[in-house]
Amino acid sequence: AQTVTQSQPEMSVQEAETVTLSCTYDTSESDYYLFWYKQPPSRQMILVIRQEAYKQQNATENRFSVNFQKAAKSFSLKISDSQLGDAAMYFCAYRVNFGNEKLTFGTGTRLTIIP
Amino acid sequence: DGGITQSPKYLFRKEGQNVTLSCEQNLNHDAMYWYRQDPGQGLRLIYYSQIVNDFQKGDIAEGYSVSREKKESFPLTVTSAQKNPTAFYLCATQALRDEQFFGPGTRLTVL
Repeated sequence: AQTVTQSQPEMSVQEAETVTLSCTYDTSESDYYLFWYKQPPSRQMILVIRQEAYKQQNATENRFSVNFQKAAKSFSLKISDSQLGDAAMYFCAYRVNFGNEKLTFGTGTRLTIIP
Repeated sequence: DGGITQSPKYLFRKEGQNVTLSCEQNLNHDAMYWYRQDPGQGLRLIYYSQIVNDFQKGDIAEGYSVSREKKESFPLTVTSAQKNPTAFYLCATQALRDEQFFGPGTRLTVL
């Protein structure tokens, strides 16, 4: 079974600094997607960024980028120039690219932004 | 406007009662999902449906039931067999090979 592990329950960063959230996963599949979702205090789940496993280039969305290491099964999220609005729970998620396409989530990392 | 609606936002249940959580979408997505969120445990899949009139159990289906009579609707019933139903419930939809979109959630509390 696929598993997703987020080993940092809480992280904090000074406003305008850079922070990296860690995620590792376990799978025997070769074709899959990885996602980072953000859940602010409103509890609305918002997609931050996604990575297709067959693409070697790391995905980037404005201040958010990932470091995807397929062999190591690692998928970290880097947030640059942290802003107060980035404060949220961040969830890493995995999905195979065929069949029922269920998402498997990690337990989340709570990110605090220090003004 | 397009999106996913969940109702009610807050729901209170007495022990022994069945309650139904609503999830409606106008995104024309085929697949719909129900997740349960507890503190420190992330999201866990309860049930999912990829087409109308068909659904499958997720990882924690015991004590829950669903139906999928219309593409737009995927209601979740929390039965009296669910021993610890207090949680935050999220509904999601997905088009094939696309990302999942989430509703605003329902907070269920057992009195």
